[in-house]
Amino acid sequence: DARVTQTPRHKVTEMGQEVTMRCQPILGHNTVFWYRQTMMQGLELLAYFRNRAPLDDSGMPKDRFSAEMPDATLATLKIQPSEPRDSAVYFCASGLPLVRAGGRGTDTQYFGPGTRLTVL
Amino acid sequence: RKEVEQDPGPFNVPEGATVAFNCTYSNSASQSFFWYRQDCRKEPKLLMSVYSSGNEDGRFTAQLNRASQYISLLIRDSKLSDSATYLCVVKTGGYNKLIFGAGTRLAVHP
Repeated sequence: DARVTQTPRHKVTEMGQEVTMRCQPILGHNTVFWYRQTMMQGLELLAYFRNRAPLDDSGMPKDRFSAEMPDATLATLKIQPSEPRDSAVYFCASGLPLVRAGGRGTDTQYFGPGTRLTVL
Repeated sequence: RKEVEQDPGPFNVPEGATVAFNCTYSNSASQSFFWYRQDCRKEPKLLMSVYSSGNEDGRFTAQLNRASQYISLLIRDSKLSDSATYLCVVKTGGYNKLIFGAGTRLAVHP
């Protein structure tokens, strides 16, 4: 049963520290999404990758957040420096292409278990 | 105005009840529609897609009204295990970008 994996599952850090979250998408998926979920804002899209290229990071605070895909099996989200308002659950999701030759793709996104970040 | 709006609930219903959730979306160009389910402290998971003709999956029925930009989810014969937050999701744009509603919380009690 293929799943998206994320590490760490929990992270507690102090304000000003660097935080790196990692995601391994499902093998064969070429779209990767980073979301942030808080009680106040719900699920917000931070960044989107297709074939490892960043296509949309408009939801991400550029001054402190960065997202990369060094290879097809690893996506990273980094916060430097972290602030208390960054406390949230960060989800990674992966999916198949929307359009595939000869037929429809799928819009389904498969979420990882999330990284629960607390910045003190 | 949010792109996808839902009643946050909570909906507290007894086992066996029928409960309906509604959702509205603002972008008339939206292309695909879904309901995701999220259990407490877990990740969202696809419950079902929503088609213009309406679709049913066991006790769950989803409806779409494009003219009114309205999506619904009906759960019949509620089970304790249905307790969760139900997220209305809309796909908008040229790529697989999903916009999530804030979710409707359902609590089924004995």
